[in-house]
Amino acid sequence: NAGVTQTPKFRVLKTGQSMTLLCAQDMNHEYMYWYRQDPGMGLRLIHYSVGEGTTAKGEVPDGYNVSRLKKQNFLLGLESAAPSQTSVYFCASTLVRAGELFFGEGSRLTVL
Amino acid sequence: AQKVTQAQTEISVVEKEDVTLDCVYETRDTTYYLFWYKQPPSGELVFLIRRNSFDEQNEISGRYSWNFQKSTSSFNFTITASQVVDSAVYFCALGSWGKLQFGAGTQVVVTP
Repeated sequence: NAGVTQTPKFRVLKTGQSMTLLCAQDMNHEYMYWYRQDPGMGLRLIHYSVGEGTTAKGEVPDGYNVSRLKKQNFLLGLESAAPSQTSVYFCASTLVRAGELFFGEGSRLTVL
Repeated sequence: AQKVTQAQTEISVVEKEDVTLDCVYETRDTTYYLFWYKQPPSGELVFLIRRNSFDEQNEISGRYSWNFQKSTSSFNFTITASQVVDSAVYFCALGSWGKLQFGAGTQVVVTP
């Protein structure tokens, strides 16, 4: 079982460059999320989606865009990367309100 | 706004000792869910336990147990007879529908 898969796992960008992180889940979950993890701050919600074609802002959405064109995929985009976006990004999905989140392995992004 | 506080930054124990992780939360919601996640050195996030706000029954699952007290807004987690494999960062989280507020995490170091 693949679960939640994120690509790429590692990426180094220069300030101002753009990139897209791809999240794919094979569990038929409706709800998908992008979190970022920074040292000493736990995880913070960037954007989320409650179904195909829908997206919504989380706690720290600035500088990011997302799309959910297919139920199984949730894309996170950085249009103009900034050093403050250096972080580890986690995609997650869940089936129900009380359900635990299933996380991907994380994507480490460094912006120089 | 919701808030989760894990006051302990790091706990060091010798193998077979018990470890209790503290978690205090703030929320205005009447229905909510509390979670504990483990992040081993390899970096993935592993779901451990879930508790809903209307069930204060405390439970034990193997070497894990938890103490949920709504009156003090606390959701503490205990590892009994710790093992080296328990070395990890442990996160307490609060929320529902996958939109979770995470604490900053507690690093647990178990030495042989």
